[in-house]
Amino acid sequence: ETGVTQTPRHLVMGMTNKKSLKCEQHLGHNAMYWYKQSAKKPLELMFVYNFKEQTENNSVPSRFSPECPNSSHLFLHLHTLQPEDSALYLCASRRETVNTEAFFGQGTRLTVV
Amino acid sequence: RKEVEQDPGPFNVPEGATVAFNCTYSNSASQSFFWYRQDCRKEPKLLMSVYSSGNEDGRFTAQLNRASQYISLLIRDSKLSDSATYLCVVNSDFGNEKLTFGTGTRLTIIP
Repeated sequence: ETGVTQTPRHLVMGMTNKKSLKCEQHLGHNAMYWYKQSAKKPLELMFVYNFKEQTENNSVPSRFSPECPNSSHLFLHLHTLQPEDSALYLCASRRETVNTEAFFGQGTRLTVV
Repeated sequence: RKEVEQDPGPFNVPEGATVAFNCTYSNSASQSFFWYRQDCRKEPKLLMSVYSSGNEDGRFTAQLNRASQYISLLIRDSKLSDSATYLCVVNSDFGNEKLTFGTGTRLTIIP
């Protein structure tokens, strides 16, 4: 049973749609992450939040907009996406100390048509 | 040079055999190292952390070589259930939350 929950699990959206991905953790972690996983590519870090402050934005296009209202919730707002944005989007959380592992949600499989 | 580099495989190994993977990292200041396992269409899950002195968990042994900047994972007496992709993960900067993942090594255990 994962301590990190992502919704929805699957999403199909048109290029003109606006949708949001949600991530929730109740592990008491203060760092939360969005990763993108495309076929045959490594996990790509998109955004990092630590204590609700964004500490990393890995040159992600502005059509992806993160929001972190509190330490337990993380959103990824999507608008005017492209077909190449189709991927598995994974949320993770971690306690902010060295040598601690990240816990992942089950991911949202996104298809842009 | 990639921050974290792994041989993508695939490694096709008979059941019961021993298999080893290496992973190299480019940042000599890296502090934390992990091996994750990812099953098909599932999220990555921690397999084990890698400590400076090396560590063992049942059939799995992880080693860190700071001088050569690589970590390794050894799986003994491999089981069919070990089939998965194994991801090398490095925390590059002290106090930085960034975890960098390798491409993963695909392992298939053959009956």
